[in-house]
Order: sequence, then C-alpha cells, then structure tokens
Amino acid sequence: DAGITQSPRHKVTETGTPVTLRCHQTENHRYMYWYRQDPGHGLRLIHYSYGVKDTDKGEVSDGYSVSRSKTEDFLLTLESATSSQTSVYFCASKTGEWTEAFFGQGTRLTVV
Amino acid sequence: AQTVTQSQPEMSVQEAETVTLSCTYDTSESDYYLFWYKQPPSRQMILVIRQEAYKQQNATENRFSVNFQKAAKSFSLKISDSQLGDAAMYFCAYRSAGTSGSRLTFGEGTQLTVNP
Repeated sequence: DAGITQSPRHKVTETGTPVTLRCHQTENHRYMYWYRQDPGHGLRLIHYSYGVKDTDKGEVSDGYSVSRSKTEDFLLTLESATSSQTSVYFCASKTGEWTEAFFGQGTRLTVV
Repeated sequence: AQTVTQSQPEMSVQEAETVTLSCTYDTSESDYYLFWYKQPPSRQMILVIRQEAYKQQNATENRFSVNFQKAAKSFSLKISDSQLGDAAMYFCAYRSAGTSGSRLTFGEGTQLTVNP
C-alpha cells in the first residue's frame, strides 16, 4: 500500500477555532484529495489537487481551504470550525489519471 | 453531475452464503469506471473490485464479482462464500474517464453483517 499518513488521527476542537489537518504521502503521487465521511452520505469530496499549487473545489468545499506547497503534503484548513464540520476526514492520493487512489486511515474531528 | 445510490443501508448474510449488494448510478457519460470499496471497522478504505464501462465482461476478484448492467445503470456486488472478515461497510463509487481530476463519487454505503 502507498505510504499515506494523516495527522492528527483524532482531534477535538471548539467552535470558531481554526483547524489544520495534514496529509503526507511518500509515493510522489501527483493527485491528492480530501473527503469527508458522514453517516448516510458516504464520502464527499471537499477539495483536490492535481499538482503543486494546483487545487480545485469539490462538492462540499464551503468553510474549507487547502494548500499544497510540496508534492508530498496536502493541508486541509477549517477556517472557523463549526459543529457541522464534525466528521471523519479522509485523504487519498494517486499517481495519474488512470491509476487507483490510495486512502489514508482517516481523521476523526469533533467540533464542540 | 453524477450520482451514486445504494438503496440498502444494511444487509446481513450467513457465513458461507452468498449476498448481493445493490448500486445504481446516474450519468450522461459513456466512458467511466465503477468501483466497490470495503471499509472495515479499522476505517481503512480497501478497493475490492473495479469495472470499466467499455468492457462488457463482468469483473471478478476471487469471491467477489459484479453484475454490470450499463443500460440500466446498475452495478451490483456479489460476495460468494461469505466470511466473517467480509463484515464491513461497502461503498459503490463512480469515476469519470474524462479529465475532471479523476474524482470519485461515492454512494451512501451498505453495512454488511456476517452471521456465524
């Protein structure tokens, strides 16, 4: 399996605080993704990146921003956390258009 | 936009029996890929099987096989000889063959219980 590490694995934060989740991959994958998983919704795409400094929005991007300054790191920032952002967040990465995505082990974020 | 629907939130099967999980999707594209992912309690997302839309032959991976009906936009997963380790959440997913960032669109998931 590809080396994809998410940090932290668990976090509890207060409403209104900024939060940054990190995804680190050691496979030199070009594409990286952030999804959130909620009961009854499956996984929904927040943002994705198709190269360093190249990012685009997914279907649930409001309240989130991303940055990718290096190939191996993709950061997801909740600018001002809300209770509706309590979720499990997954990072994924892949080499190219036609290859399969590998997923990290998820980060459980609770906003209180 | 593409949508993926899994109409069975929960399913159960007896060990060694066969179970079929349903998935339907909506798309206007003719070329795409379909996937089934398994998520055990560890939360790890594991690719079970993939199907290319241009292939008429149904994909098979050991005890896992699919029934791909392109005209009906249906993509079901059959698990034969079910094992306790098959218990997990299963997600159906769609990916366009175009250049839309190779994003996956997931269904809501089906929680599979395997009874001993």
